[in-house]
Amino acid sequence: GNSVTQMEGPVTLSEEAFLTINCTYTATGYPSLFWYVQYPGEGLQLLLKATKADDKGSNKGFEATYRKETTSFHLEKGSVQVSDSAVYFCALGRGGNEKLTFGTGTRLTIIP
Amino acid sequence: GAVVSQHPSRVICKSGTSVKIECRSLDFQATTMFWYRQFPKQSLMLMATSNEGSKATYEQGVEKDKFLINHASLTLSTLTVTSAHPEDSSFYICSARSARRSLAGATYSYNEQFFGPGTRLTVL
Repeated sequence: GNSVTQMEGPVTLSEEAFLTINCTYTATGYPSLFWYVQYPGEGLQLLLKATKADDKGSNKGFEATYRKETTSFHLEKGSVQVSDSAVYFCALGRGGNEKLTFGTGTRLTIIP
Repeated sequence: GAVVSQHPSRVICKSGTSVKIECRSLDFQATTMFWYRQFPKQSLMLMATSNEGSKATYEQGVEKDKFLINHASLTLSTLTVTSAHPEDSSFYICSARSARRSLAGATYSYNEQFFGPGTRLTVL
């Protein structure tokens, strides 16, 4: 079946540091890949997505590249801000309804 | 735009009682709603998919008689946990998907799910 494995947290970084949160997946075929972010007290929000191999999703300075050869979709940001503190979920979607399979989430805390 | 609310945000109940959780799409019509369950430090697990006006489709291992889902309108789905027990204590999250690409003046990806903030259920 489908599964998503992401870096365990919590992750604590200083402001302006470089961020990488690893995500690997297991799935047949060509799933869509997503990163969701959950800010305190809010619902999950779509951060970025990629629908085919070698696609790069990007938003708010975050990037992730769909790597089929390594079955990975690592999230990166060159310079994090305190406002990036949140829980980040990697997910894959299949089928017309895009049923989502989530990773366990990684809590990120950025300190000034 | 594209806001999903859940009510209540937190509920504590006695074992054996039933609890209803509401999920509403506030500014768009949701043709499909999804219900997830999240245990501490674990993934969101899809419980069921519901389409407006039809019966929900449950994931393998989810008891349909235990977790009753009703999607009677395009803006409201409810999850009722019947005869709740302590092992049902969890964080329940809904999401809603619209078939339309343009919502509230913005353009979204088709099939994008919009998530509610979740409901924390504690069964004593």
